[in-house]
Amino acid sequence: EADIYQTPRYLVIGTGKKITLECSQTMGHDKMYWYQQDPGMELHLIHYSYGVNSTEKGDLSSESTVSRIRTEHFPLTLESARPSHTSQYLCASSGQGEAGELFFGEGSRLTVL
Amino acid sequence: GQNIDQPTEMTATEGAIVQINCTYQTSGFNGLFWYQQHAGEAPTFLSYNVLDGLEEKGRFSSFLSRSKGYSYLLLKELQMKDSASYLCAVWDSNYQLIWGAGTKLIIKP
Repeated sequence: EADIYQTPRYLVIGTGKKITLECSQTMGHDKMYWYQQDPGMELHLIHYSYGVNSTEKGDLSSESTVSRIRTEHFPLTLESARPSHTSQYLCASSGQGEAGELFFGEGSRLTVL
Repeated sequence: GQNIDQPTEMTATEGAIVQINCTYQTSGFNGLFWYQQHAGEAPTFLSYNVLDGLEEKGRFSSFLSRSKGYSYLLLKELQMKDSASYLCAVWDSNYQLIWGAGTKLIIKP
């Protein structure tokens, strides 16, 4: 059973606010990912990390930052939220299993007014 | 560019069989995944194929043909709870995961 947690689950904020979406996993996985997904649309990779102090940008990274100070923790920060950031944000991790499949958190649904 | 194609939506009847196709064009190939995603929820892992052929797991089976850049997910004895989106994803040569937009499966009684 996957043990990956995201907070907050739901957030409504005003334009210009700084927000941090939290993601923690207890599986000891080295690889962690942040995805953005709009309803009925594909997943877009925002950032990923292959281990502590390792972070890489994905396709939609320009307006957010991440950090990986501890293996289990991979927070995503939006410095200045805009209505275009309204979306579902999914955190995932993967280990060294046969397939390297991703385990997803339940998501953080963000609405920016 | 890299591309994964799946039908946008399919409809099937409870108790029947449905096949969801996925074709891919990627820079290299290191495996193909199928995930299930219920509305408003996160994707959950269903299957992984890296070699040609059929992998069976209960009511779900997944097939891969690397030479054709083609996979399908076969769902048997459909249940109402199978109503969900089914996502096809491919590891490319750099182990970047390329995602399809998903196929929304609607099950009717």
